[in-house]
Amino acid sequence: NAGVTQTPKFQVLKTGQSMTLQCAQDMNHEYMSWYRQDPGMGLRLIHYSVGAGITDQGEVPNGYNVSRSTTEDFPLRLLSAAPSQTSVYFCASSGFAGGTDTQYFGPGTRLTVL
Amino acid sequence: SQQGEEDPQALSIQEGENATMNCSYKTSINNLQWYRQNSGRGLVHLILIRSNEREKHSGRLRVTLDTSKKSSSLLITASRAADTASYFCATEGGGTSYGKLTFGQGTILTVHP
Repeated sequence: NAGVTQTPKFQVLKTGQSMTLQCAQDMNHEYMSWYRQDPGMGLRLIHYSVGAGITDQGEVPNGYNVSRSTTEDFPLRLLSAAPSQTSVYFCASSGFAGGTDTQYFGPGTRLTVL
Repeated sequence: SQQGEEDPQALSIQEGENATMNCSYKTSINNLQWYRQNSGRGLVHLILIRSNEREKHSGRLRVTLDTSKKSSSLLITASRAADTASYFCATEGGGTSYGKLTFGQGTILTVHP
């Protein structure tokens, strides 16, 4: 199993540009989520999904869209990039397994918005 | 807002010594988890302790949870240079908060050979 994969690893955008960060998992996990990590900080939840076709907002959803058309993929879209969105983005997944489960994190995408 | 507050923010020790990190949180939880992050890398899950558990062990790791004080501690015994990393606690709330983790700001651990 590849686990949780994220592409790209690095990205530089100009203010106002849009892009999609890709996240995929091959563990048949129902739950997937996106976090951002700013320097010296812990992770903050952006959006999450409890299964295909179901998404919801986390703590810092503004400026981001998500969709979940398949169990495997959970892309994060930046609609109009702003310098405040410069951050490292992590995707995570976990199975329900009848209750609380370990979350598995991808390697991250480092995004810079100029 | 970040629920977890970690203490200390940075910890520097010699190989072979024990390292203790503390985490406090504000609201009721379903479980508390500890993660490690090596510089520039993703997070690796270390241990999960449920709200009805008081202590858990995994190899050289020992985690305690005191729900009355809303606090947890992570002890790494006989530390190694390879333990150098940032350590984060994360809480999962109860009810509809399944899977939604709230992270602390982390403790940077440096283990000198």
